[in-house]
Amino acid sequence: EVQLVESGGGLVQPGGSLSLSCSASGFTFRIYDMGWVRQAPGRGLEWVSAINTGSTYTRNEDYVKGRFTLSRDNSKNTLFLQMNSLRPEDTAVYYCAKCPSSGCHYVDYWGQGTLVSVSS
Amino acid sequence: IVLTQSPGTLSVSPGERATLSCRASQVISGSSLAWYQHKPGQAPRLLIYGASSRATGISDRFSGSGSGTDFTLTINRLEPEDFAVYYCQQYAKSPFAFGPGTKVDIK
Repeated sequence: EVQLVESGGGLVQPGGSLSLSCSASGFTFRIYDMGWVRQAPGRGLEWVSAINTGSTYTRNEDYVKGRFTLSRDNSKNTLFLQMNSLRPEDTAVYYCAKCPSSGCHYVDYWGQGTLVSVSS
Repeated sequence: IVLTQSPGTLSVSPGERATLSCRASQVISGSSLAWYQHKPGQAPRLLIYGASSRATGISDRFSGSGSGTDFTLTINRLEPEDFAVYYCQQYAKSPFAFGPGTKVDIK
């Protein structure tokens, strides 16, 4: 059974940093692209970032470019999202996303999510 | 590509059929559209990809159809666990946007 467990969410002040982790199990982590999708309160879903299997390519949406960095450790089946210069509009539930073998265009398995709140 | 979903809320009785619409601002090539189910406090779940292919383990009560700019998710014989928010998402052209969602609630 595919399991994705996020951790690292919490309350942070504007301009601060936070690091999210996603521990994966139930599938061969190293052969699938992975990513993060978020949902702000009362809003819909939006892609944040995606990374390929070998960490040679990452895709960051415009609203997080230059602030968020996605990485992975295939030896530990773990995905990381380093979030810097956080803004109130980054407040959201962040979902870890496993992508199908065709690439990170849609999500075939999701984690339960971790809440990030950016507020003074 | 901007996605519009209608209706915003759909009230349906258990056992009935629900028909959800997803309309795109541009043609979505290759039928690159997915549907997800999302219940509060739970992980979203992939239902449909490629506009009409059911994901692993998804009941055949769920079916997707459409092409171009107009897509439909049909849920037959609604069961209590089907009451949720449903999102479409296009992945033909970056950014791979999601629709605003349709909430299916109990009539």
